[in-house]
Amino acid sequence: QKEVEQDPGPLSVPEGAIVSLNCTYSNSAFQYFMWYRQYSRKGPELLMYTYSSGNKEDGRFTAQVDKSSKYISLFIRDSQPSDSATYLCAIVKTSYDKVIFGPGTSLSVIP
Amino acid sequence: EAGVAQSPRYKIIEKRQSVAFWCNPISGHATLYWYQQILGQGPKLLIQFQNNGVVDDSQLPKDRFSAERLKGVDSTLKIQPAKLEDSAVYLCASSLGVEITEAFFGQGTRLTVV
Repeated sequence: QKEVEQDPGPLSVPEGAIVSLNCTYSNSAFQYFMWYRQYSRKGPELLMYTYSSGNKEDGRFTAQVDKSSKYISLFIRDSQPSDSATYLCAIVKTSYDKVIFGPGTSLSVIP
Repeated sequence: EAGVAQSPRYKIIEKRQSVAFWCNPISGHATLYWYQQILGQGPKLLIQFQNNGVVDDSQLPKDRFSAERLKGVDSTLKIQPAKLEDSAVYLCASSLGVEITEAFFGQGTRLTVV
């Protein structure tokens, strides 16, 4: 079983839609959960991260962690064409440990 | 603030040839990472430097890959000899301290081995 799994998509939604991106992981030792956005031919950029369980909101983005089911989600409200990118979830045991990335979900927001 | 600089952006080589990638981290960043991102996969850490010392190189194929960080600033990653399966984007990232949540990535070098 892979340490972190993610539906690769591609996911295509109309502008203004609510987008839900999800990952599952296998090891309950992971404590930090991150979401990166990667535009085509660019490096990943950190969108947000959460520690342990719970929700975290930043503008149109909400990250959610359910440690009991080892499930993490990223919600994008009022999606924009500029949100079109690959979204990578990432997990790590401590903030200075090796990061395990998911394979990414490709998102297209159609105007 | 200038970001992480990498060169070249693209490289095509034949198998069994050698290749080198260069990374200039953000000024003052002590930690430097090299990642390999194969098409359709997430980045995989190859090596992590803290200043000019190696913190983690457990996933670096040491029979063909080598990396160095001179004077704790710039870094080079070398592959010799290259294999077809080395085709990937090689990403460099840097952070001020050791916390990955503070890391910034460069644009990467796209390597194609034919």
